[in-house]
Amino acid sequence: DADVTQTPRNRITKTGKRIMLECSQTKGHDRMYWYRQDPGLGLRLIYYSFDVKDINKGEISDGYSVSRQAQAKFSLSLESAIPNQTALYFCATSDGRDTGELFFGEGSRLTVL
Amino acid sequence: RKEVEQDPGPFNVPEGATVAFNCTYSNSASQSFFWYRQDCRKEPKLLMSVYSSGNEDGRFTAQLNRASQYISLLIRDSKLSDSATYLCVVNKRTNAGKSTFGDGTTLTVKP
Repeated sequence: DADVTQTPRNRITKTGKRIMLECSQTKGHDRMYWYRQDPGLGLRLIYYSFDVKDINKGEISDGYSVSRQAQAKFSLSLESAIPNQTALYFCATSDGRDTGELFFGEGSRLTVL
Repeated sequence: RKEVEQDPGPFNVPEGATVAFNCTYSNSASQSFFWYRQDCRKEPKLLMSVYSSGNEDGRFTAQLNRASQYISLLIRDSKLSDSATYLCVVNKRTNAGKSTFGDGTTLTVKP
């Protein structure tokens, strides 16, 4: 089983719908992240959390919100999805060291029509 | 100007070739550097960290030039399985672990 699990893996929805992407991890890491990747581009940080009580905006947080329900769970919500939020979304964890490796989930492909 | 810039390629090389990728970063406060590999539609995975002294892992060599603010990745004796997108990643200590990704360089190794 994957150490970082994302659900759903694929989702097609319509403009204006509320969508939640869920991430859970068994690595015991405190730090969790949500990234977005568009075709031909690198990953851009949406939100990150260094512990259960800590939530921080990344570079592209507008239109998104997050919830850190437990150390192991970090959810990303799109309150009212729009077509330009069509992308591949990755959850990641790290162990808290500044030089630490990022461990990614397999990604959630979201299409907003 | 992007904070981390890579030549997007694509690089198309024959098996056995040596290929090098460069990555430049704009923030001199950057502290740690990585190369990640991403296969098509898959999650990125760490290929190697990049140390000031340079480091080698089998056919892969990574180097850092702080004065010129670039890092490089050299792949020797390319294999078909090396075909992927290679992402340059830079961390700034002041961002406490937040990573900035380049857009990636795509490599295709052909028979």
